[in-house]
Amino acid sequence: ETGVTQTPRHLVMGMTNKKSLKCEQHLGHNAMYWYKQSAKKPLELMFVYSLEERVENNSVPSRFSPECPNSSHLFLHLHTLQPEDSALYLCASSQERTDWNTIYFGEGSWLTVV
Amino acid sequence: AQKVTQAQTEISVVEKEDVTLDCVYETRDTTYYLFWYKQPPSGELVFLIRRNSFDEQNEISGRYSWNFQKSTSSFNFTITASQVVDSAVYFCALILGSSNTGKLIFGQGTTLQVKP
Repeated sequence: ETGVTQTPRHLVMGMTNKKSLKCEQHLGHNAMYWYKQSAKKPLELMFVYSLEERVENNSVPSRFSPECPNSSHLFLHLHTLQPEDSALYLCASSQERTDWNTIYFGEGSWLTVV
Repeated sequence: AQKVTQAQTEISVVEKEDVTLDCVYETRDTTYYLFWYKQPPSGELVFLIRRNSFDEQNEISGRYSWNFQKSTSSFNFTITASQVVDSAVYFCALILGSSNTGKLIFGQGTTLQVKP
């Protein structure tokens, strides 16, 4: 059983919809991440939060809006997405954002934009 | 610029064969960390190993072994006596020691298919 859980596992949304992806970590970690995995492209870091403060925004379009209400939860709010945003979105956490010994990933949320 | 290259897009082997997955990295930093992750069809990235740039000792864990060679900037992964359950996508990744964000730089991944 993974210490990082993501919901929903699968999401289909229209381009005018607003939806959210949720990530929860049960590991007591202080840093959380969103990565995007598109077909035929390497995994890309989107956002990094450390102690609920955003420390990295990797040139992500504003139609993706992260939220970290506490160190255990991370959301990715989605609105007016494009079909090319269809991808696997992976959440990860680590003890600290500089502790690379403990980076754990969730199972991901498969997003399809139609 | 930092980069990780996994030149093998797909590998297919028959069960019990040995298989090596290649990983070549580029960085000018002297301190860095290298990782291997396994991604089964479910999507989760499963951590396999982490290596820092100052430790060139090879490592063995059961049927898995890793060969880190700084001279060739390679961090290859070998599965001995492969099994069908080893079928997955395998990613090699790099973090710079100077990073303060935990940003993993991933290779494109190698899809391994192990046939019975």
